[in-house]
Amino acid sequence: DTGVSQDPRHKITKRGQNVTFRCDPISEHNRLYWYRQTLGQGPEFLTYFQNEAQLEKSRLLSDRFSAERPKGSFSTLEIQRTEQGDSAMYLCASSFDRGQFSGNTIYFGEGSWLTVV
Amino acid sequence: KNEVEQSPQNLTAQEGEFITINCSYSVGISALHWLQQHPGGGIVSLFMLSSGKKKHGRLIATINIQEKHSSLHITASHPRDSAVYICAPRRGSNYKLTFGKGTLLTVNP
Repeated sequence: DTGVSQDPRHKITKRGQNVTFRCDPISEHNRLYWYRQTLGQGPEFLTYFQNEAQLEKSRLLSDRFSAERPKGSFSTLEIQRTEQGDSAMYLCASSFDRGQFSGNTIYFGEGSWLTVV
Repeated sequence: KNEVEQSPQNLTAQEGEFITINCSYSVGISALHWLQQHPGGGIVSLFMLSSGKKKHGRLIATINIQEKHSSLHITASHPRDSAVYICAPRRGSNYKLTFGKGTLLTVNP
């Protein structure tokens, strides 16, 4: 078990460019979550998947953001036409749940830092 | 008003001291997580609790559902405990957590 992996760990991009982050969850985990964290703040929920289905999206996720989990395994988060306000750390997390509150814990990746210049 | 309030925001202690971090929340929850975040980003879930008290090594977490309050205690603190500690209540059965801003703990040798 290698934990939750995120790639790249750091990305510097020019305003207006597109960026894509990848998350590989723990292999048997059916739920995958994306959070965003800015300096000095706690993480904020963006979206989550149950297998390949995207079940909820935050209002923070503007139409420039899209997330996919095509085969119910890894997920990608794409940001189009990046803006300086997108600079943040994008955290991925995963868990295994059977639909009801099962008491299983959540595992976070190391995060992907985005700097838009 | 934030849904989750943590106190203190910053805490400096000497090695060996007993540490308490408090968390108050304003909504009904199914469980509450205490998380640890080290510089560079990695977050580790320390506890998930929905009632009473849990203990793991030198860490103790308590929750009072009626009062909407939880505390994280660290006994015999050590410099390696230096990190940001985040309280995150959970609503419902998924992990759409609401995070506090965190408490930056620095333990000096």
